[in-house]
Amino acid sequence: QQKVQQSPESLIVPEGGMASLNCTSSDRNVDYFWWYRQRSGKSPKMLMAIFSNGEKEEGRFTVHLNKASLHTSLHIRDSQPSDSALYFCAVSASNSGTYQRFGTGTKLQVVP
Amino acid sequence: DMKVTQMPRYLIKRMGENVLLECGQDMSHETMYWYRQDPGLGLQLIYISYDVDSNSEGDIPKGYRVSRKKREHFSLILDSAKTNQTSVYFCASSFTSAETLYFGSGTRLTVL
Repeated sequence: QQKVQQSPESLIVPEGGMASLNCTSSDRNVDYFWWYRQRSGKSPKMLMAIFSNGEKEEGRFTVHLNKASLHTSLHIRDSQPSDSALYFCAVSASNSGTYQRFGTGTKLQVVP
Repeated sequence: DMKVTQMPRYLIKRMGENVLLECGQDMSHETMYWYRQDPGLGLQLIYISYDVDSNSEGDIPKGYRVSRKKREHFSLILDSAKTNQTSVYFCASSFTSAETLYFGSGTRLTVL
C-alpha cells in the first residue's frame, strides 16, 4: 500500500514562531496535495491545496510543493495558540476513480 | 449552507450487534466516503462511493459494508460488530474524487 509520510509526529512552537510540517508520498502517480486541519474534537477541514510545483501563500500559511520528490511542506508564520491542531497531509492522483489518501498527521501545539 | 450530517454522534454497542451509521449531504456531491480515525493511524478509507450503487472498497473494508441508494445518503453497516471496530468514523463528500473533501462531525463508536 502506498504511504503518505508526515513529519514530525508532534511539534511544539512558541507563540509568534514558525511551524514547519512535512509530507512525502511514496506513490509516483499522485499529483494533488492537500493539507487539512483538525482542531480538537472537530472534523478535518481543508486548509490549503497545491497542484503545481512551487509555493502558495494564504495569510500566515504557505505551502511548498516539489513534484519531483513528491514532497510538500506547510509553514505557519507568527503561530498562534488557535493554530494548535492535528494537521493532515493528503495526496491523490488527478485521474478519475482515485481518492485522497491521508498521512498519520502532525500534532501542532503553540504555547504562549 | 454546505453540510455533511452524520448520525448518531455517539454510539455504544455490544460485540456481535449490528451497527448502522448514516450520513447525508446537501451539496449534490457525486462522491462520498467513509473513513475511520484511530490515534497514530490517521484517517483510513473504508469505502468510497462514486455515485448511487457505485461503491468501491478503500484500504480497510473488511468487516464493513455500505449502501448508497440516493445521491445524498451514504450508510455504513457493521454486521456483528467487533471490539476492534471501536473508533471515530467520519463521513465525507466531494464533487469528484479529485476535489476537496467535506467532512461530517463524526460518530464515536464504542463496541463493548
